[in-house]
Amino acid sequence: AQSVTQLGSHVSVSEGALVLLRCNYSSSVPPYLFWYVQYPNQGLQLLLKYTSAATLVKGINGFEAEFKKSETSFHLTKPSAHMSDAAEYFCAVSDEWGNTPLVFGKGTRLSVIA
Amino acid sequence: EPEVTQTPSHQVTQMGQEVILRCVPISNHLYFYWYRQILGQKVEFLVSFYNNEISEKSEIFDDQFSVERPDGSNFTLKIRSTKLEDSAMYFCASSGVLSGGADTITDTQYFGPGTRLTVL
Repeated sequence: AQSVTQLGSHVSVSEGALVLLRCNYSSSVPPYLFWYVQYPNQGLQLLLKYTSAATLVKGINGFEAEFKKSETSFHLTKPSAHMSDAAEYFCAVSDEWGNTPLVFGKGTRLSVIA
Repeated sequence: EPEVTQTPSHQVTQMGQEVILRCVPISNHLYFYWYRQILGQKVEFLVSFYNNEISEKSEIFDDQFSVERPDGSNFTLKIRSTKLEDSAMYFCASSGVLSGGADTITDTQYFGPGTRLTVL
């Protein structure tokens, strides 16, 4: 069975600083990995997804994530934080691509300080 | 841009009452899902629905729960007799579009904003 662990329920960075949100997964088969973002009072929005095509995945809003099989990790990064990046970020895994249930982590709340 | 909508945004009910949470998925999507998130815990899968029937469900989705697509647009989650532990944020999602060749394009799950259910 798959599982996802997100280290740090709350991360705080200064505006312009590097954003690093950690995600480790457990899966018995090659995983499909996702990062979703939730802004206040909105639904979960897909940031990026890994589907085995390339280990470095670029997403929306300047975010990217690198799949590292040896570390079972899929950390989310952004070189320079913006105030508008403040939100809740969820990592998720699936053992099949597409229309199958996602297994989510607990989420990390990102705060950006001016 | 098409989006998934959910109503109501917040529902308060008494323990033992029935509640129906409503979702309007993206119009040309074929797969529909319900997830929930109890405060401070993970987002958990409840059920998926395809071709007018449940395709997969979790252990959470017991006989208290049911889903329905009563018409061409709505997708509902019913909880027959609510318990305190049903208090959570419930998210609806949809995915899957038919290609020109009638194969389903497996694609991203699009989520609604959620309904916060509070059981007193």
